[in-house]
Amino acid sequence: DQQVKQNSPSLSVQEGRISILNCDYTNSMFDYFLWYKKYPAEGPTFLISISSIKDKNEDGRFTVFLNKSAKHLSLHIVPSQPGDSAVYFCAASEVNAGKSTFGDGTTLTVKP
Amino acid sequence: KAGVTQTPRYLIKTRGQQVTLSCSPISGHRSVSWYQQTPGQGLQFLFEYFSETQRNKGNFPGRFSGRQFSNSRSEMNVSTLELGDSALYLCASSPQPGGAEETQYFGPGTRLLVL
Repeated sequence: DQQVKQNSPSLSVQEGRISILNCDYTNSMFDYFLWYKKYPAEGPTFLISISSIKDKNEDGRFTVFLNKSAKHLSLHIVPSQPGDSAVYFCAASEVNAGKSTFGDGTTLTVKP
Repeated sequence: KAGVTQTPRYLIKTRGQQVTLSCSPISGHRSVSWYQQTPGQGLQFLFEYFSETQRNKGNFPGRFSGRQFSNSRSEMNVSTLELGDSALYLCASSPQPGGAEETQYFGPGTRLLVL
């Protein structure tokens, strides 16, 4: 039973346009959500997070939206740049659980 | 500050052998988690250690084990290797035990190939 799902394995967008990466979860106990970015041959790096008490968090070109009723979150990248091409992992955690549950990742390709 | 380091970076083993992977967390970080990433799969949680104690364990067989030392360095061991154990093993550290609001910092991973 996969508790965090990223249903799109890949996404391709043109430079300058918006990239929207989606993530769905099933565990209603999750109260903190994170996005990580991973380049080949490197470990994931933290990108942005959101607490369940918020519905939006913005950091520069990156915005994460959370819809608790739909158990859905999304990452928006505007404008997309070729350097954003990477695998993006959605992760969710609950207080004191001691671990984050990750999705399978979405490979984003931004074309120049 | 130096990041999370993992050794070795690449490893080739044969079925039935055992392997030990090492992780040195960021200085001052006391929590270390291990994840397995296989092609087409997300990061599967293996276990988390904090202050030399295993706090959480994922759904992996007993062939997978780990430990943490007093300096917070951690090792994970896989015994009786199987072909399906071929994966990228990632270590992540954080100042406090993982969970909500605790960002993890990942190492580059150890890529294990079992032949």
